[in-house]
Amino acid sequence: GNSVTQMEGPVTLSEEAFLTINCTYTATGYPSLFWYVQYPGEGLQLLLKATKADDKGSNKGFEATYRKETTSFHLEKGSVQVSDSAVYFCALKGSNYKLTFGKGTLLTVNP
Amino acid sequence: DAGVIQSPRHEVTEMGQEVTLRCKPISGHNSLFWYRQTMMRGLELLIYFNNNVPIDDSGMPEDRFSAKMPNASFSTLKIQPSEPRDSAVYFCASSLIAESSYNEQFFGPGTRLTVL
Repeated sequence: GNSVTQMEGPVTLSEEAFLTINCTYTATGYPSLFWYVQYPGEGLQLLLKATKADDKGSNKGFEATYRKETTSFHLEKGSVQVSDSAVYFCALKGSNYKLTFGKGTLLTVNP
Repeated sequence: DAGVIQSPRHEVTEMGQEVTLRCKPISGHNSLFWYRQTMMRGLELLIYFNNNVPIDDSGMPEDRFSAKMPNASFSTLKIQPSEPRDSAVYFCASSLIAESSYNEQFFGPGTRLTVL
């Protein structure tokens, strides 16, 4: 079946540092890949997505590239802000209705 | 545009009481999901509706849990009787044609349930 493995963290960075959160997946066929973000006390929000190999999703300074050869979808941001502190979930969706989530990575950004 | 709406946002109840959580999906979405989030188990899919029909309820923990979707704009998740181990955040999500790999799910803000 499908599965997602992501860095468990927690990750603590200083403001303006570079962020990478690793995500790898196992799936059959051609899944779509997503990053969701959950701010404290809120629901999950879609941050970015990519629907085919070599696609790059981007939003709010975050980027992730769908790498089929390495089955990866790592999340990056060049300069994090305190407001980026949240839990980040990597997720995969195949041709059925199920969204398979990673366990989430808690990011804390200190001023 | 209104997103997925859930009520109440917080619910505190005593063991044995009935709890009803409510969800209004995004207009035009034909797929609705209920999830439960806990520190121990992460995000768990409880039930999936397509066009108001329950398609997969294999994630519903036990008979104390039930979910309905009487129309395209409303769903409920009921726990009767509630137990302390049901304490969690319950999310509702909706999407267009869930079987398409392209369509993401849109999550509501969640209901934080505490059972004393």
